[in-house]
Amino acid sequence: ETGVTQSPTHLIKTRGQQVTLRCSSQSGHNTVSWYQQALGQGPQFIFQYYREEENGRGNFPPRFSGLQFPNYSSELNVNALELDDSALYLCASSSADRGRTYNSPLHFGNGTRLTVT
Amino acid sequence: AQKITQTQPGMFVQEKEAVTLDCTYDTSDPSYGLFWYKQPSSGEMIFLIYQGSYDQQNATEGRYSLNFQKARKSANLVISASQLGDSAMYFCAMSPAVNTGNQFYFGTGTSLTVIP
Repeated sequence: ETGVTQSPTHLIKTRGQQVTLRCSSQSGHNTVSWYQQALGQGPQFIFQYYREEENGRGNFPPRFSGLQFPNYSSELNVNALELDDSALYLCASSSADRGRTYNSPLHFGNGTRLTVT
Repeated sequence: AQKITQTQPGMFVQEKEAVTLDCTYDTSDPSYGLFWYKQPSSGEMIFLIYQGSYDQQNATEGRYSLNFQKARKSANLVISASQLGDSAMYFCAMSPAVNTGNQFYFGTGTSLTVIP
């Protein structure tokens, strides 16, 4: 069973640039979520996709956007990067029924560490 | 509002001893899930244990058990027979069943160090 994989592992960008992070879900999982983890903090929910549609969104501005593909892989796009966007970005997949996560654990990848200078 | 509180920024435990990591939560939703994750320095969040709000018995998974006290809104993680490999950050998380975006709410974590 293949777990959640994310790419790249590290990334350095300049303020104002755009970035795309990628995630391959664990086999059989149709729900993918993205989280941002700032240094010394717990992960913060960005959004969730279920069967290619956004199925929940946290308190993040519209310059954070995403996609889920038919094979359930996913992308996180961030436009107009700001210094505060520097963080570990975690992708998680689950087999939650209709994307309802309250009784289904998230399975995380190793994350992408983004540094904005 | 949904909230997770972990009041122990750092904990130390002797190898082979048991340790309890505290977690309290706040939600008005009667149905929710509670989860614990381990995050080594590599960054990956590793799922440890799950407890449903309607589960009558405390969850156990190998050396991990969850001490669930619903009236007190606490969900403490107990690690028995600590090992050096248990040194990591530990996060408590909650996911309410009511449509809050299908998200997990995480605490700020507890750093556990196992001493040989």
